[in-house]
Amino acid sequence: DGGITQSPKYLFRKEGQNVTLSCEQNLNHDAMYWYRQDPGQGLRLIYYSQIVNDFQKGDIAEGYSVSREKKESFPLTVTSAQKNPTAFYLCASSIVRGSGNTIYFGEGSWLTVV
Amino acid sequence: QKEVEQDPGPLSVPEGAIVSLNCTYSNSAFQYFMWYRQYSRKGPELLMYTYSSGNKEDGRFTAQVDKSSKYISLFIRDSQPSDSATYLCAMWRGGSQGNLIFGKGTKLSVKP
Repeated sequence: DGGITQSPKYLFRKEGQNVTLSCEQNLNHDAMYWYRQDPGQGLRLIYYSQIVNDFQKGDIAEGYSVSREKKESFPLTVTSAQKNPTAFYLCASSIVRGSGNTIYFGEGSWLTVV
Repeated sequence: QKEVEQDPGPLSVPEGAIVSLNCTYSNSAFQYFMWYRQYSRKGPELLMYTYSSGNKEDGRFTAQVDKSSKYISLFIRDSQPSDSATYLCAMWRGGSQGNLIFGKGTKLSVKP
């Protein structure tokens, strides 16, 4: 089935540890995104990538890092520098065009710092 | 003023009611408008996508855009308990792929 796969669904992290969230898509989309969702905050863009080996910071990139070595994959690392990492993380993808970009989401990953 | 405003609710309606969900925006550069539905602990799914002012219908759902008033709406006819979810509006202002802005979402509950 075509879609976006995020793993793991639930992840617990100890303070001071880095963790990596996986995102894979088989939709042949060029663009991929990472969003963070907190209660009452809506969706906030962390990073996005329009093409392999290139990515741009979003509104809340501090404490996060990404890579885009393959078109299908866009992993997100939550580093120990991120002060409040507990949140719901959503990966998304879209085609790239000059006339609007409808994005499609994965099922999300819940990260809890313990 | 925030770029996109959306009443968080919660909104509770009886089954069969017509539901109206709304967003306002301040930036006239927004060109494309979307509505997403998000069930609890799931990723958002795209419901409707519109560009021009006017109405777009898809089954029980109608999306309405009024660019002159900077106001968009989603109407749900004959609402069902399965429509209970959070509804997010989203708008793209062109240029970079990162220029997609989401509202905070309205939580809807349809009571049987």
